[in-house]
Amino acid sequence: EVQLVESGGGLIQPGGSLRLSCAASGITVTTSYMNWVRQAPGKGLEWVSVIYGGGTTKYADSVKGRFTTSRDTSKNTLHLQMNSLRDDDTAVYYCVGTVAATAADYWGQGTLVTVSS
Amino acid sequence: DIQMTQSPSPLSASVGDRVTITCRASQGIRNDLGWYQQKPGKAPKRLIYAASSLQSGVPSRFSGSGSGTEFTLTISCLQPEDFATYYCLQYNSDPWTFGQGTKVEVK
Repeated sequence: EVQLVESGGGLIQPGGSLRLSCAASGITVTTSYMNWVRQAPGKGLEWVSVIYGGGTTKYADSVKGRFTTSRDTSKNTLHLQMNSLRDDDTAVYYCVGTVAATAADYWGQGTLVTVSS
Repeated sequence: DIQMTQSPSPLSASVGDRVTITCRASQGIRNDLGWYQQKPGKAPKRLIYAASSLQSGVPSRFSGSGSGTEFTLTISCLQPEDFATYYCLQYNSDPWTFGQGTKVEVK
């Protein structure tokens, strides 16, 4: 069974930093492409970033230069380092894994990040 | 950036209806499009990938079509569990972009 479990969310002041983690089991973060998707309260889905199997990363314009996606292959874990947080970064952050070979698509349960003073 | 525009929003329908949601891309994206269903308080679930391929385990009443700039998601016979919000996502070019969502609500 595939599981993606996010952690690291919480309340943070504007300008602060937070690191989200996504522990994967049943899929390997290096042979899948892994995304972060967020959803502000009452709003639609917003794609945040992708890291491809080869390690290339891409970001939404709204987070470029502030957020960094990385992975720890020894722990089969994905990370999202979020710096210079703003009020409009408040959202539930989902980790999403897609296995290219099978087109299977898996989502975590999400972790809430609240940016507020 | 590629803009994805969904219509209609919202969509009022009844159980048993045939429902069609459209997603238009601001430029051609080949067939690099997925459709997602989200229910309140839950993570989204992908229904369709590559514009028309049904995700494993998804009921066959869901279907997708289109290529280039215009895409549709069709539910052939709406079931009670299908009342939800639907999103398209283009992954043809960075940054990937979602449509704004279409809420399918009870008529």
